[in-house]
Amino acid sequence: DSGVTQTPKHLITATGQRVTLRCSPRSGDLSVYWYQQSLDQGLQFLIQYYNGEERAKGNILERFSAQQFPDLHSELNLSSLELGDSALYFCASSVQPMTSGGSYNEQFFGPGTRLTVL
Amino acid sequence: GNSVTQMEGPVTLSEEAFLTINCTYTATGYPSLFWYVQYPGEGLQLLLKATKADDKGSNKGFEATYRKETTSFHLEKGSVQVSDSAVYFCAQIQGAQKLVFGQGTRLTINP
Repeated sequence: DSGVTQTPKHLITATGQRVTLRCSPRSGDLSVYWYQQSLDQGLQFLIQYYNGEERAKGNILERFSAQQFPDLHSELNLSSLELGDSALYFCASSVQPMTSGGSYNEQFFGPGTRLTVL
Repeated sequence: GNSVTQMEGPVTLSEEAFLTINCTYTATGYPSLFWYVQYPGEGLQLLLKATKADDKGSNKGFEATYRKETTSFHLEKGSVQVSDSAVYFCAQIQGAQKLVFGQGTRLTINP
């Protein structure tokens, strides 16, 4: 158990709908990352937040948005869903992006939310 | 941009066999390199990492050496077990802690 929780575990919805995925980072972690894992695109970085502020953006569609709240949990909102949005969505967290020495802080991954769009 | 390429899977081996999963990367500069493992129904776990050239990461009998000359970070294990069956991802850090992953290699170990 990484300490990162994601809800729901599974989500089945229809095209055109909107869903919200939730992530609670490990206690003490300030940085949250979202990744999408699909059969055709593999595992791709979507977006990163640090202490409530957006820090980096990857291949995130305009139909998708995210935020990090004052209690540090994060939500990923997916709207106008298409069949191709069906994927496993992972959240990861780390203490902060980098140490004061400039090295990498490990990202701890949650179990993921499996989204199926019918 | 920066990318990671892994050997095509799936890979099926017998227990106690030697394992190699190839990984090469393209990057500007010298990124940190990682191997992550994903067991069935679970999220990714960091298996090992190397932060500079010639570093060797190791964990649970797995090893990988950061080779700058060949831009490679191949994963090896001398004697695999059934419990090693999982999907393995090679990755590099790009920019603000954004992980760039390879496509993943599914490993199945038969008893």
